[in-house]
Amino acid sequence: DAGVIQSPRHEVTEMGQEVTLRCKPISGHNSLFWYRQTMMRGLELLIYFNNNVPIDDSGMPEDRFSAKMPNASFSTLKIQPSEPRDSAVYFCASSPPRGTYNEQFFGPGTRLTVL
Amino acid sequence: LAKTTQPISMDSYEGQEVNITCSHNNIATNDYITWYQQFPSQGPRFIIQGYKTKVTNEVASLFIPADRKSSTLSLPRVSLSDTAVYYCLVGDGDMRFGAGTRLTVKP
Repeated sequence: DAGVIQSPRHEVTEMGQEVTLRCKPISGHNSLFWYRQTMMRGLELLIYFNNNVPIDDSGMPEDRFSAKMPNASFSTLKIQPSEPRDSAVYFCASSPPRGTYNEQFFGPGTRLTVL
Repeated sequence: LAKTTQPISMDSYEGQEVNITCSHNNIATNDYITWYQQFPSQGPRFIIQGYKTKVTNEVASLFIPADRKSSTLSLPRVSLSDTAVYYCLVGDGDMRFGAGTRLTVKP
């Protein structure tokens, strides 16, 4: 298995631009998580889906952030408009249907820089 | 959600056993205890998970006392490559990563 796939790996954009991050979970996994990591705030859970349905989006910073999971093999995290404080590494993770969400498999992350 | 407390940092030397303790006083009956490892520029990686007593795999051991209010991750004979941040998580479903413990292994 290829593991969790994220694209792009690096993104540099200017303030005000729209940014879309993409994630392909591991086949057969039914939970998907989006995280953001910065030195100041550590690893923060933004949103997670179970069976393509958003379960908890309380970690989404504000209305500029949105996430979708149109099917079991694809999810997007969109920031519109982007701001310099959104600069961070964004991780996607997935987990299998074993009764708990605890064993999460993380992707390599997308390093976002907003100038 | 059960809150976890673990040391911010620890130092060790190659070949030593390292024990990292995590406190989770308000752990719920259905909660599992899970540890992750994160190297710089990588996503966290699952190490071990347990519910009670002792769990051992090829990487580490996890000790959980009867009251489950704490847990200890044990790394046998660490090497330089074990330098990483170690996170303790408690939950059944939704979880939160804390600050973790930054382990530095010295030669």
